Amino acid sequence: KAGVTQTPRYLIKTRGQQVTLSCSPISGHRSVSWYQQTPGQGLQFLFEYFSETQRNKGNFPGRFSGRQFSNSRSEMNVSTLELGDSALYLCASSLSPAGSYNEQFFGPGTRLTVL
Amino acid sequence: GENVEQHPSTLSVQEGDSAVIKCTYSDSASNYFPWYKQELGKGPQLIIDIRSNVGEKKDQRIAVTLNKTAKHFSLHITETQPEDSAVYFCAASKGNTPLVFGKGTRLSVIA
Repeated sequence: KAGVTQTPRYLIKTRGQQVTLSCSPISGHRSVSWYQQTPGQGLQFLFEYFSETQRNKGNFPGRFSGRQFSNSRSEMNVSTLELGDSALYLCASSLSPAGSYNEQFFGPGTRLTVL
Repeated sequence: GENVEQHPSTLSVQEGDSAVIKCTYSDSASNYFPWYKQELGKGPQLIIDIRSNVGEKKDQRIAVTLNKTAKHFSLHITETQPEDSAVYFCAASKGNTPLVFGKGTRLSVIA
């Protein structure tokens, strides 16, 4: 069974640009969560989608948005990039909604660098 | 909201020794506590989890203990090996809310 895949793996952007990251969950998984990982803040929850509906949203500005498609693939978008958005963005999938005792399987992440 | 504190931030042990990582949580309604291991260049991977109706759980060299009264839980790794070197994250959830992670512990096992 293929794991969670994220594309691209590495991305370099400049301030003010926007970026779209993609996540393909494990086949059959309907929940996709996104996290931002930085050395100082650790893993911070961005949002979660289940069956194309956003279930939960973390404490991030509106520049961060996401969506989920009918095949459970998900994208997240960051507009008007800031230097502080440089981070590893992780996607995790699970069978049921996140937090419901179901293991979350993480992808390898997309390393975003904002110059 | 939930807040999870994790200590220590770095830990070095000799191969064969035990390692202990501790976490505290703030929301007494939290009832699910997983531990994740993240190796270099990879995403976190679940290694063990515990629910609030259980005080201890073991899986070979790894064990997790939970003290609901004190609101803390710990990861114990015995007979450490070089391949145990990684960053470990604890997390907490109320079962219908997203996981809240600790800031991680970098474990180094010295051969």
